Amino acid sequence: GAGVSQTPSNKVTEKGKYVELRCDPISGHTALYWYRQSLGQGPEFLIYFQGTGAADDSGLPNDRFFAVRPEGSVSTLKIQRTERGDSAVYLCASSSGGADTQYFGPGTRLTVL
Amino acid sequence: QKEVEQDPGPLSVPEGAIVSLNCTYSNSAFQYFMWYRQYSRKGPELLMYTYSSGNKEDGRFTAQVDKSSKYISLFIRDSQPSDSATYLCASISGNTPLVFGKGTRLSVIA
Repeated sequence: GAGVSQTPSNKVTEKGKYVELRCDPISGHTALYWYRQSLGQGPEFLIYFQGTGAADDSGLPNDRFFAVRPEGSVSTLKIQRTERGDSAVYLCASSSGGADTQYFGPGTRLTVL
Repeated sequence: QKEVEQDPGPLSVPEGAIVSLNCTYSNSAFQYFMWYRQYSRKGPELLMYTYSSGNKEDGRFTAQVDKSSKYISLFIRDSQPSDSATYLCASISGNTPLVFGKGTRLSVIA
């Protein structure tokens, strides 16, 4: 079956611009996670949705970052006033229940010039 | 101190070698331990998953957890060039977020 998909695969933007990154989870998965992976580092947690609501957003670095999942399926990560330090791979994962078995998408590589 | 520590390598071994990858963790509440494999420019792929202490074997891969020393290991037998990737350990307790190590880059040379 189809895995987690993320679009775009690459995004280049200029400092100060707004970007949206999209995640399509595995069909039927109620839990959805966003992570950020910088070069040479492991993924770092950003936010977790259970259904439509953000169950844990403790990993969002500041108020420029926001995520939604309005219908409990597709999610969008939104970054306002991008900074060069936001450059990273943004990974989405989904699971059918517990946080222990998460399936990752290929990521969106964001470059802020 | 990060909650999960992992030597980033790189680690280079000849084909057929036994590979040992290790992590340590500091949070005693961690109960679930995972190993993910990540190929270049791809997302992490779940390889092994262990609950609490003990061993788990799957083909050429063995995951080991020692909660008394807070040590997590992954062994790869008869390593193949296709095993060349970054290996990430991760831990979790309950419904808290996954905490990853930095990843160890492995190259298996034919």
